[in-house]
Amino acid sequence: GAGVSQSPSNKVTEKGKDVELRCDPISGHTALYWYRQSLGQGLEFLIYFQGNSAPDKSGLPSDRFSAERTGGSVSTLTIQRTQQEDSAVYLCASSPTRDRRTQYFGPGTRLLVL
Amino acid sequence: TQLLEQSPQFLSIQEGENLTVYCNSSSVFSSLQWYRQEPGEGPVLLVTVVTGGEVKKLKRLTFQFGDARKDSSLHITAAQPGDTGLYLCAGEGAGGTSYGKLTFGQGTILTVHP
Repeated sequence: GAGVSQSPSNKVTEKGKDVELRCDPISGHTALYWYRQSLGQGLEFLIYFQGNSAPDKSGLPSDRFSAERTGGSVSTLTIQRTQQEDSAVYLCASSPTRDRRTQYFGPGTRLLVL
Repeated sequence: TQLLEQSPQFLSIQEGENLTVYCNSSSVFSSLQWYRQEPGEGPVLLVTVVTGGEVKKLKRLTFQFGDARKDSSLHITAAQPGDTGLYLCAGEGAGGTSYGKLTFGQGTILTVHP
């Protein structure tokens, strides 16, 4: 079956512009996570969705970052007024409700802010 | 805040050698996972260990969870060039509200030369 997909795969933007990153989880997976990965580093948790609700937003680095999920499926991570330090790979993962520790990752969106 | 210290950060070895990667924390985790990530792709789950002292083997890879569930190791026997990649450990926090939320180590970049 289809895995987690993310779009765009690459995004180059200018400082101060807004960007939207999209995640399509595996069908039927109710849990969805966003992570950020700096070059060659480990992953930093951003936000967790259970269905359309976000019970844990503790990893969002500033109020310029927001995320939503609709229909219990697609999720969008929005970064407003991008800064150069926002440059990173943004990864999305989904997992089934009964086994939330088993997360399936998408290929990521590589964001470069000039 | 739970932290995972992963070492070494870089490992460059010859084909056929053995190696061990360590993941340590002062916090207790309900489970510990190991992932492998290749360039341009998301992490792929290798194994989940849940019980203190647990040992799991996956072909030439041996994973161990510490008795106190604060540390873990990954041992690769007779490394091959195909083992090259970024290896990540990730801990799931103890306690119901942390279920599914992973804390990642910084990663180990392994290069196996033919």
